[in-house]
Amino acid sequence: RKEVEQDPGPFNVPEGATVAFNCTYSNSASQSFFWYRQDCRKEPKLLMSVYSSGNEDGRFTAQLNRASQYISLLIRDSKLSDSATYLCVVHGGGADGLTFGKGTHLIIQP
Amino acid sequence: DTAVSQTPKYLVTQMGNDKSIKCEQNLGHDTMYWYKQDSKKFLKIMFSYNNKELIINETVPNRFSPKSPDKAHLNLHINSLELGDSAVYFCASSQDITGGYGYTFGSGTRLTVV
Repeated sequence: RKEVEQDPGPFNVPEGATVAFNCTYSNSASQSFFWYRQDCRKEPKLLMSVYSSGNEDGRFTAQLNRASQYISLLIRDSKLSDSATYLCVVHGGGADGLTFGKGTHLIIQP
Repeated sequence: DTAVSQTPKYLVTQMGNDKSIKCEQNLGHDTMYWYKQDSKKFLKIMFSYNNKELIINETVPNRFSPKSPDKAHLNLHINSLELGDSAVYFCASSQDITGGYGYTFGSGTRLTVV
């Protein structure tokens, strides 16, 4: 069974801190990887794609370790507005569709 | 302009009723999806269509029937609604069947069956 596993949290983090969370995936043939953000009672929105070489977008850094089947997200200088659920998402290639993790709930505290 | 729009946003109905949710995308994408997010917040794929052709049909009760009149529309009809159908249903689209660029989601339809 193709699965994506994440620590559900919640992670309670003070504003300004650096927070990291990760996920593991079971399908070694997975082709594409993403982090999505979902705010309460809203739809998931693409935060960033994850590339094998690692990639950065402002305060956010994503990394992929194919050998260990592990994806990480690092948020630096966290803001109150970063509070949300972060979904690890994996695409197995072909017509399989995206497989979502259950999400990690992040709460940034003032 | 809303990229992926679904209606209605909220739907409260009694057990046993039949209801439909509509979805439209104006992104020119080839592939559309229905996802269900239950009370535990787990997003699970139900169906996908590529250019009006059914591609993914996960194990869902046959009371759920998707229909795609054209590649910009994917509707979901649900017969004989049950309490367990209460959830948020998200429509999504992707550029192509690989989904390699990610999905764009609609704002969701919150279905409550009473």
